[in-house]
Amino acid sequence: DAGVIQSPRHEVTEMGQEVTLRCKPISGHDYLFWYRQTMMRGLELLIYFNNNVPIDDSGMPEDRFSAKMPNASFSTLKIQPSEPRDSAVYFCASSLSFDSYNQPQHFGDGTRLSIL
Amino acid sequence: DAKTTQPPSMDCAEGRAANLPCNHSTISGNEYVYWYRQIHSQGPQYIIHGLKNNETNEMASLIITEDRKSSTLILPHATLRDTAVYYCIVRSPHSGNTPLVFGKGTRLSVIA
Repeated sequence: DAGVIQSPRHEVTEMGQEVTLRCKPISGHDYLFWYRQTMMRGLELLIYFNNNVPIDDSGMPEDRFSAKMPNASFSTLKIQPSEPRDSAVYFCASSLSFDSYNQPQHFGDGTRLSIL
Repeated sequence: DAKTTQPPSMDCAEGRAANLPCNHSTISGNEYVYWYRQIHSQGPQYIIHGLKNNETNEMASLIITEDRKSSTLILPHATLRDTAVYYCIVRSPHSGNTPLVFGKGTRLSVIA
C-alpha cells in the first residue's frame, strides 16, 4: 500500500522566494495534518484538515504561510515570501476517522526545506 | 491530554531487549498511552497503544502499570534499525483525530 507521499524531499531556495510543499494522503483517509520539525521546537502542528476543510490553523506561524486541500487526495503548504527561519523539516500525516482513537496517524518522509 | 516524562537517551546492546519507560502520573481513567518512533530522516511511525491491559504486536510490547501512572515499551530483540527517537503520548479517546502533541522523547541507540 502506498503511504503518505510528500514532494519534494529536499528544497533549497533563496530568501524571498515562494515555496510550495505537496502532500498526497493515504487513499480513503479523511484527516490530513501538516507538522514542522526543528531542533529548537521539535515536532509541532501547523494546520489540519477534515474532509478537505481546515479545522485548526492556529499553529501557522504567520500570514506568509498558507495551506489548501482542493480535494481528498492532495494538499499544499505554501510559504511566500520564505525566510531563513522557515528552514525545517515539514511532515504531512493522514488518518482515518472511523473508530478514531484506534487509528494511528501515518506520516510521510517529510520535506527538508533550507532557505538561504 | 496528560503530560508524559521520558529519559532523554538510552543505550541497548543489539539482540537484547530494549525497555523504554514513560511516566504519566496525571493520566485519567479513559486516556490511552500511544508510542511512536522516528528513525533518522523519516517521519514518525506508530508502534502501539493501550489503555490498561498489556498489549503486544509484531513490533513491540506495551506494559502499563496497574495504577496506570507509568508504562514501558519493550522491543524484545533490538536491532540496529531500532535506533530512533521514541515518543510516549497520552491521548483521550475524545481526542479522536486531533493532532499529536510530541514531547522530546527518548533517543534509543542500539549498539552492535
